[in-house]
Amino acid sequence: DQQVKQNSPSLSVQEGRISILNCDYTNSMFDYFLWYKKYPAEGPTFLISISSIKDKNEDGRFTVFLNKSAKHLSLHIVPSQPGDSAVYFCAASVMGGTYKYIFGTGTRLKVLA
Amino acid sequence: KAGVTQTPRYLIKTRGQQVTLSCSPISGHRSVSWYQQTPGQGLQFLFEYFSETQRNKGNFPGRFSGRQFSNSRSEMNVSTLELGDSALYLCASSDEGMNTGELFFGEGSRLTVL
Repeated sequence: DQQVKQNSPSLSVQEGRISILNCDYTNSMFDYFLWYKKYPAEGPTFLISISSIKDKNEDGRFTVFLNKSAKHLSLHIVPSQPGDSAVYFCAASVMGGTYKYIFGTGTRLKVLA
Repeated sequence: KAGVTQTPRYLIKTRGQQVTLSCSPISGHRSVSWYQQTPGQGLQFLFEYFSETQRNKGNFPGRFSGRQFSNSRSEMNVSTLELGDSALYLCASSDEGMNTGELFFGEGSRLTVL
């Protein structure tokens, strides 16, 4: 049972355009969400997070949107740069002092120069 | 501050053998989690330790086990290896004093089972 789903395994975007990565979840108890980026041969690195009390969080070129009623979140990267080419994972958790995150299967983003 | 360190980075084993992977968290972090990454499956949660106690466990068979030491270093063990255990095993540590709940990952240990 995949509680966090990233239905697009890959995405290609032109440099300078917007990249939109999507993530759906099924467990309504999830109240904290994160996005991670992973380059080959490296561990995932944290990008941005959002708690369920918000519907938007921005950090520079990265914005995460949360639609609780649809159980959907998205990561927007504007403008996209070739260095953004990586695998992006969304993760969800029920906060409460324990760190059990459920990750999606990832979306491979390729930004074309 | 040094990051999360995992050893070994690469290893090859044969079916039926066992393997032990090690993880040193960021200094001061008391929570250590382990994940398995395989193509098409994303990161699958194995278990999480805090102050030497297992707090959370994923849906993996009993062949997968772990422990945490008093200095927060953690090990995971896989016994009776199967071909399907070939994966990248990632360790992550957390500082429970942070509000972001961010996980800090190591570079992983890539296990190949022949």
